[in-house]
Amino acid sequence: QSVLTQPPSASGTPGQRVTVSCSGSSSNIGSSPVNWYQQLPGTAPKLLIYTNTQRPSGVPDRFSGSKSGTSASLAISGLQSEDEADYYCATWDDSLNAHVVFGGGTKLTVL
Amino acid sequence: QVQLQESGPGLVKPSETLSLTCTVSGGSVSSGYYYWSWIRQPPGKGLEWIGYIYYSGSTHYNPSLKSRVTISVDTSKNQFSLKLSSVTAADTAIYYCAREGVKHDLDYWGQGTLVTVSS
Repeated sequence: QSVLTQPPSASGTPGQRVTVSCSGSSSNIGSSPVNWYQQLPGTAPKLLIYTNTQRPSGVPDRFSGSKSGTSASLAISGLQSEDEADYYCATWDDSLNAHVVFGGGTKLTVL
Repeated sequence: QVQLQESGPGLVKPSETLSLTCTVSGGSVSSGYYYWSWIRQPPGKGLEWIGYIYYSGSTHYNPSLKSRVTISVDTSKNQFSLKLSSVTAADTAIYYCAREGVKHDLDYWGQGTLVTVSS
């Protein structure tokens, strides 16, 4: 059971806008920036969004992140077939035994 | 462009120690701006952060693995390493090394290496 909660699956048709949620608590999302990773089939994860809303160089502006309180969201607009992947949220958990925590991952299917 | 490459045995026997090395190119493990991390992913499952090391040698581990994990750094070879002791089948996973920023964003990853624990 992951510390951060994500829906196991999401789907959309090409051109649609989809969102992936990530729910945590005051010791993690509530007090630390959230990062998002995209993992295409058979490949290593790739940093997609850092510090809640920032995109690394090369990531299309179709991808956006937001955070409010103890929850965060990843939005993908203008959905494309190549966006079919697993998406993970992650942050620092500042509890007694502080460490990086990941969500369980959301498998996005482009219909 | 920073690149990371994992290396080590792909098969480890139960109760033995898993040992992996990550070689960094295009960047330096001696940089004071980053941590150097290990993450793993059991087949078909999600990601689990194992821990990180700073160039000074200070470390921070996932509490669920802390008793079995050692991460070390060799600045002369621009490498860092992972040792996981007393492995069981539950430790079978793809092991990734990565660079971790001060806000814990993992911005560069190795391609990953599958380690299977089996007799």
